[in-house]
Amino acid sequence: SQQGEEDPQALSIQEGENATMNCSYKTSINNLQWYRQNSGRGLVHLILIRSNEREKHSGRLRVTLDTSKKSSSLLITASRAADTASYFCATDQAGTALIFGKGTTLSVSS
Amino acid sequence: NAGVMQNPRHLVRRRGQEARLRCSPMKGHSHVYWYRQLPEEGLKFMVYLQKENIIDESGMPKERFSAEFPKEGPSILRIQQVVRGDSAAYFCASSPDLQETQYFGPGTRLLVL
Repeated sequence: SQQGEEDPQALSIQEGENATMNCSYKTSINNLQWYRQNSGRGLVHLILIRSNEREKHSGRLRVTLDTSKKSSSLLITASRAADTASYFCATDQAGTALIFGKGTTLSVSS
Repeated sequence: NAGVMQNPRHLVRRRGQEARLRCSPMKGHSHVYWYRQLPEEGLKFMVYLQKENIIDESGMPKERFSAEFPKEGPSILRIQQVVRGDSAAYFCASSPDLQETQYFGPGTRLLVL
């Protein structure tokens, strides 16, 4: 079964708006990572947040982690058309495999 | 520092043939992971290897699939007697250590006719 579940499955916004994606997981984790995938391409690593961290920033990205609720959110501020992609959260349980959700498809229109 | 390299990028095979997918990890990374992605799905873990050792192959089908990471050279994911259901994108990732960021290659898209 999927460990991470992203919500919403699809999100359409205008350039300049903020985009928020959520991820829920089921078991204890060591860390949680967010990746971006453009259509037909490989995955680009965005942010890794460890279980003892609550928030991390990277440029226009802000990730939060709530281990009590087993959830994480990815906020993209001032979105651009180039942000159009699928976004995946991935958790590690035993330090080996990453468990991916099905992703959120973000569409940013100009 | 070159990223994770995978080749070929696209591979077409007929049913019953063998597919060999190669992955060269980032320089300094000794941990390699293989994942499979079906259309409109997230990635599913297949196998985790360190140099010359398979550490976790819990996600790999028991038959027809094998993986290796020799002391010299790239990691190889081998699929024997391919079937149409093997058509997918296969991604390799590497990391410098456990519980560190996994960096992904561009993937190999396998099409079985």
